[in-house]
Amino acid sequence: NAGVTQTPKFQVLKTGQSMTLQCAQDMNHEYMSWYRQDPGMGLRLIHYSVGAGITDQGEVPNGYNVSRSTTEDFPLRLLSAAPSQTSVYFCASSGPPGRVRITEAFFGQGTRLTVV
Amino acid sequence: AQSVAQPEDQVNVAEGNPLTVKCTYSVSGNPYLFWYVQYPNRGLQFLLKYITGDNLVKGSYGFEAEFNKSQTSFHLKKPSALVSDSALYFCAVRDFNNAGNMLTFGGGTRLMVKP
Repeated sequence: NAGVTQTPKFQVLKTGQSMTLQCAQDMNHEYMSWYRQDPGMGLRLIHYSVGAGITDQGEVPNGYNVSRSTTEDFPLRLLSAAPSQTSVYFCASSGPPGRVRITEAFFGQGTRLTVV
Repeated sequence: AQSVAQPEDQVNVAEGNPLTVKCTYSVSGNPYLFWYVQYPNRGLQFLLKYITGDNLVKGSYGFEAEFNKSQTSFHLKKPSALVSDSALYFCAVRDFNNAGNMLTFGGGTRLMVKP
């Protein structure tokens, strides 16, 4: 049972380059989300999805795109990397609130991205 | 909008002493509350959650948290701290009544347990 798997673990990009951070979960969770972690700011929500084909913006969506073609996968795309996007990125999955059995969010190990 | 506040950037405690990491929250509906721990260069690990019922919630590694609705708080506690408890702790909230709602995190509190 792998849980939430993120790739790559580390990445260095040049300003203006594009890349995709991969996230996959094998728990059949409907909800998936992307957060970035910056010192002193906790985790901030970038984008999220409540099911295949449905995505929405979080607190800090600018510069990032997402799609959700399957329940399992939720990639995060940086179209034109900027130094301000240097951060640690976490993908998470969970069940929705309101259900009798509430699941906590499960997190991947993170991707440390540096944009130079 | 929901929010979480962790008023202390760092908490220092001696090994064997009790510890408390503070968290207050704000949501429009009923809250789901969570504590996560992050060790260096690792992802977040779930510690415990409050959904409903008993206000004292017990979790992993001997941690517990007390939900106080009137004070909108969910402080993390442990009776006897270990050096290995040193890590970054995050409090988070979800709104029970908002089906599309994601977790909102506090800024984190670094716990330092000294021998």
